[in-house]
Amino acid sequence: DTGVSQNPRHKITKRGQNVTFRCDPISEHNRLYWYRQTLGQGPEFLTYFQNEAQLEKSRLLSDRFSAERPKGSFSTLEIQRTEQGDSAMYLCASSLVGVQGYEQFFGPGTRLTVL
Amino acid sequence: DAKTTQPNSMESNEEEPVHLPCNHSTISGTDYIHWYRQLPSQGPEYVIHGLTSNVNNRMASLAIAEDRKSSTLILHRATLRDAAVYYCILRGSVSYNTDKLIFGTGTRLQVFP
Repeated sequence: DTGVSQNPRHKITKRGQNVTFRCDPISEHNRLYWYRQTLGQGPEFLTYFQNEAQLEKSRLLSDRFSAERPKGSFSTLEIQRTEQGDSAMYLCASSLVGVQGYEQFFGPGTRLTVL
Repeated sequence: DAKTTQPNSMESNEEEPVHLPCNHSTISGTDYIHWYRQLPSQGPEYVIHGLTSNVNNRMASLAIAEDRKSSTLILHRATLRDAAVYYCILRGSVSYNTDKLIFGTGTRLQVFP
């Protein structure tokens, strides 16, 4: 399978705990994006990387959230001191700059439940 | 960010054509019109995009109004697998400064056998 993969697929945690999600993009893709989706809503942009550089962060990304893409390949999204409002589906996508249309390919998401 | 307006839901019978409308009256001259869809329990997937001319691909067709203030995604023969939420998104020329997709709530398409 050469698509975008995300791990874990599901995460249940208690309020106040830290969680980390991983995204493996399509191998040759140089852009990687994180989105968050709550029930009944469309995905909301969080941040994106061009190789290892984080080029844009949404105001939704509070100080408790941090994302990295250390070698320009996989990325991690960490949420510190989780709150119940963080419960959502976290989606990762990747794309290849220079390809017409810059289609974003999405992974299956990580569903976070904060108790 | 330019905004799109779509109906909340639509219904179709299997093997019938489906026309999903999208209004984007504040579109700028450099905005592309993208459509993504999200099947149940999956991440969104790209469907089609266009700038001014109508576009066709293996999944769908995109009809763009002459003034570009609206567009229509056309599924020529709906199947049960086409049941999904369809998002119409305006996307500026991709640059190094901004490259995000801004999703609305989309149109939930139900397909009946």
